[in-house]
Amino acid sequence: GDSVTQMEGPVTLSEEAFLTINCTYTATGYPSLFWYVQYPGEGLQLLLKATKADDKGSNKGFEATYRKETTSFHLEKGSVQVSDSAVYFCALSHSGNTPLVFGKGTRLSVIA
Amino acid sequence: DTEVTQTPKHLVMGMTNKKSLKCEQHMGHRAMYWYKQKAKKPPELMFVYSYEKLSINESVPSRFSPECPNSSLLNLHLHALQPEDSALYLCASSQDHGRNYEQYFGPGTRLTVT
Repeated sequence: GDSVTQMEGPVTLSEEAFLTINCTYTATGYPSLFWYVQYPGEGLQLLLKATKADDKGSNKGFEATYRKETTSFHLEKGSVQVSDSAVYFCALSHSGNTPLVFGKGTRLSVIA
Repeated sequence: DTEVTQTPKHLVMGMTNKKSLKCEQHMGHRAMYWYKQKAKKPPELMFVYSYEKLSINESVPSRFSPECPNSSLLNLHLHALQPEDSALYLCASSQDHGRNYEQYFGPGTRLTVT
């Protein structure tokens, strides 16, 4: 079945550091790929998405490119802020009735 | 408006109680979802409604009973829960049900079963 693998956390960075959170997936066909963010005590917010190979999703300084050849969708940000501290979930969605398949999540802590 | 609202924000209930969680969206979305999220885990899908009909039930115990009274509302009726059911319950909606439709999540209801 479909699956998503994320790098293990927690990840701790200093403010203004470069962020990469790795995400790879296993799926047949052409899934859509998503990054969701969950701030403490809140629900999930869609951060960005890509629906086909080579698409780049971007939002709030975060970017991720759909790489079909490496089945990856790594999340990057050039300069993180303390307010970026949260849990980040990579997810995929397939055709038909397949629900969102989530990775285990990566907790990011940014220190001033 | 991309908001999904959920009430209550917090709920404490005993194992013999009956309570309901409510979810509402006014984005014209035709698919709505219930998820359960335990601490430090990703959300787990419980139910999917598509065009007000239950389309997916992920083998959820019968003590959880979903209801979709109309296209904007989704309820989750709770009865005879167990302490292990304590979790964050998230509602989500999407324009339709399929790979290209992102889901919008509500803030969740934090449920504690005593």
